[in-house]
Amino acid sequence: KAGVTQTPRYLIKTRGQQVTLSCSPISGHRSVSWYQQTPGQGLQFLFEYFSETQRNKGNFPGRFSGRQFSNSRSEMNVSTLELGDSALYLCASSFTSSGANVLTFGAGSRLTVL
Amino acid sequence: GQQLNQSPQSMFIQEGEDVSMNCTSSSIFNTWLWYKQDPGEGPVLLIALYKAGELTSNGRLTAQFGITRKDSFLNISASIPSDVGIYFCAGPSGNTPLVFGKGTRLSVIA
Repeated sequence: KAGVTQTPRYLIKTRGQQVTLSCSPISGHRSVSWYQQTPGQGLQFLFEYFSETQRNKGNFPGRFSGRQFSNSRSEMNVSTLELGDSALYLCASSFTSSGANVLTFGAGSRLTVL
Repeated sequence: GQQLNQSPQSMFIQEGEDVSMNCTSSSIFNTWLWYKQDPGEGPVLLIALYKAGELTSNGRLTAQFGITRKDSFLNISASIPSDVGIYFCAGPSGNTPLVFGKGTRLSVIA
């Protein structure tokens, strides 16, 4: 079956702009999590959605937001972009939202902010 | 938040050598996962461990869930060039689906 699909794979924005990233989970998976990966901070949790509801949220400013649709597809949005937002944004899906769940990751969306 | 400490941060080995890396935490984990990330890709699950003391293999990879539940180890036997990448340990923590270590970057010299 198809894996986790993220679009776009690469994008370049300038400071102050906003960006929307998309994630299509594995068919049948209802939980979608987003992570930011940078060389300095590693993989940091942004938020998790399950059945269109945000279940958990990491320690990121309100400029970072997300949503999940009825078909489990998810989007995340970053407004008023800053240089420090340059990162690989990874989406992961799982069947449920539980502690022992394994996350399957997409290839990521690499955002460069100039 | 919860932190996982991985060591070593990086390693250079000759093809055919065995590799060992570990991950430690100040708190107990009930699940330990090991992922590998290739350049330009997302992390891919290698091994999942669910029970203290568990030893699980996946081909040339072997991982162990430490008996204290605060550590885990990953061994790679007879390394090959395609083993190059970054290896992450991870586990669920509180409201976070998974927290990750900073990774061990493996380079294999042919």
